[in-house]
Amino acid sequence: EVQLVESGGDLVQPGRSLRLSCAAYGFRFDDYGMHWARQAPGKGLEWVSGISWNSAAIGYADSVKGRFTVSRDNAKKSLYLQMNSLRPEDTALYYCAKGGDGSYARFDIWGQGTMVTVSS
Amino acid sequence: QSALTQPASVSGSPGQSITISCTGTSSDVGSYNLVSWYQQHPGKAPKLMIYEGDKRPSGVSNRFSGSKSGNTASLTISGLQSEDEADYYCCSYAGSSTLIFGGGTKLTVL
Repeated sequence: EVQLVESGGDLVQPGRSLRLSCAAYGFRFDDYGMHWARQAPGKGLEWVSGISWNSAAIGYADSVKGRFTVSRDNAKKSLYLQMNSLRPEDTALYYCAKGGDGSYARFDIWGQGTMVTVSS
Repeated sequence: QSALTQPASVSGSPGQSITISCTGTSSDVGSYNLVSWYQQHPGKAPKLMIYEGDKRPSGVSNRFSGSKSGNTASLTISGLQSEDEADYYCCSYAGSSTLIFGGGTKLTVL
């Protein structure tokens, strides 16, 4: 079964760091681009970051550029999001999502999310 | 990177058709045939319904269809059913390995 499982969400103070992980199951991880998206409580979806299958192409939303870093380990079938200088507005459910066949620009499969709360 | 513009809410009766619009710019929707649509029920992860403007993934009902004209993409749901009640989001590629979502539309089936 194709599945994505996020972990690492927590309650952290403003200015601190957190690292999210996403484990992939049931597909050839190194064939696909991968993404992070988030959803603040009661709000809409926001794309956060994406990375191509070979890490050659990486993109970030303006709201996180310079603070967040996406990476992947194809041998471990895992995606990561290093989040530094966290702000209260980063509070959200963070989803990991798989790109499509031959296309980075869509999200075929989503995980269930991991909650990040930034508060003092 | 401004969010794509969607109506906040739409509604329709069972059996009717509704259309949700998604307006971007010449830098995103207008430049690429890479608009996708997602359905999200409360407390659930989003689900891909349409990709590359008008393609349906396997398993998605043919009651869902997509189109694009200029800087505006549209999702049409025909033969509305109660289970279609959900939030719907559009998303477009915006160049330089970035994507952008719309603000979301709440569909109510009356």
